[in-house]
Order: sequence, then structure tokens, then C-alpha cells
Amino acid sequence: DIQMTQSPASLSASLGETVSIECLASEGISNDLAWYQQKSGKSPQLLIYAASRLQDGVPSRFSGSGSGTRYSLKISGMQPEDEADYFCQQSYKYPYTFGAGTKLELK
Amino acid sequence: QIQLVQSGPELKKPGESVKISCKASGYTFTDYAMHWVKQAPGKGLKWMGWINTYTGKPTYADDFKGRFVFSLEASASTANLQISNLKNEDTATYFCARRRIYYYDGTYYYGFDYWGQGVMVTVSS
Repeated sequence: DIQMTQSPASLSASLGETVSIECLASEGISNDLAWYQQKSGKSPQLLIYAASRLQDGVPSRFSGSGSGTRYSLKISGMQPEDEADYFCQQSYKYPYTFGAGTKLELK
Repeated sequence: QIQLVQSGPELKKPGESVKISCKASGYTFTDYAMHWVKQAPGKGLKWMGWINTYTGKPTYADDFKGRFVFSLEASASTANLQISNLKNEDTATYFCARRRIYYYDGTYYYGFDYWGQGVMVTVSS
């Protein structure tokens, strides 16, 4: 199985601050990487697919990058509504696997 | 609009069975695979497997072979998850999620673009 190592496990950001979350795959996944946001008590929402493509309706302050085994999600200008858990997920090979998640809080 | 509406919370005893439904609306049900994801309380997301909504063929992740069954009521645009011989460790929220296929830069990519609201299953004696 492909292991997805996500970091950091948690972080705290001030309003307007830029934050980054990283995911390291145990083998190359050819950009087949998605990022999800999950607010407390809610279902996950797709933010990014294909490592860097913004899902329709997602604010442009979210962006994704990376290749091979290393991927990252950037939030350019933290907003109160961005407080949530974030997960990466690979769809390159079965079984699909998720990162352990990053808890993002507003400082 | 596109929706995945799941059934309500369940409280079960160890050894019992539970069936969770996921009713899709707003799109052609058989055009998209349906996946299932488990989230234990306070934990991350774990992919359980998927069902081909056109053929009805299920595929299970290794940890979900044996007691877990994915099925369809295609005429009702509904996917079901049945768990038998429930254990305490099955206590979790179970999500259905539609997998969309994206074509970009000459390659196909995947993402779960719509999710059900989740069903909390509590297993307790």
C-alpha cells in the first residue's frame, strides 16, 4: 500500500497568514493527489485534484503543488472559515490512502 | 442539485448487523463509482472500497473483506453498506462519496467531489 505521510499534524495561523501543509507519498503517485477540507462535524470537501487543479467553487487562496512523491497545499491568507482538518489522498493505486490529517486553527 | 443523502444514526450491540443507505440525486447514478470511507471518532479517513454502479461489482480494501458488503438498488439510485457481526471497533462515521474522473493534461485523475453527510454507527453492549 502507498503510505501518505502528512505534516504538520497541527498548526495555528493568524488571520491573513500563509500556511502550507505537506504530504509525502511512499512511492511516486504521478500527481494523482487530492486535498480535502473537513470542518468540525461535517463531511470532507474536495479542494484540489490532480495535485494542483482547483475544484469548482473553491476560493483561489487555496493552491496545490508538487510532483513525484512530495505534494503541498497552500492557503494564501488564512481566513476564519479555513479553520478545519485537511487531508491528502492518493488515487494512483488501490487501495486509495489518506494522510493522517492536519488540524488548522486560527491563532 | 447533486446530493448524496445517507440514512440516520445507528446504535447496535456487538454481533448485530447494520445496513446504511446512500441515496443519490441530481445526476445519472450509473455514471459514477460510489466509494465508502470510514472515520473513527476523532481519527482520520480510511478508504473502505467501492462499488461499480454500472455493473454492481464491489471491491474491498483488505481491512474490510468478510463482514462488509457493498450493494446497490440501482433503480432507486441508492448504494448500501452492510456490516455484519459488529465489533466495538466498527464504531465510526461512514461516508459514501462519489468519485469523479477528471481529464487534464492528457491524463485521467480522480477525486471525491460529493459526499454524503455521514452515518454514525455506535456499537456498544
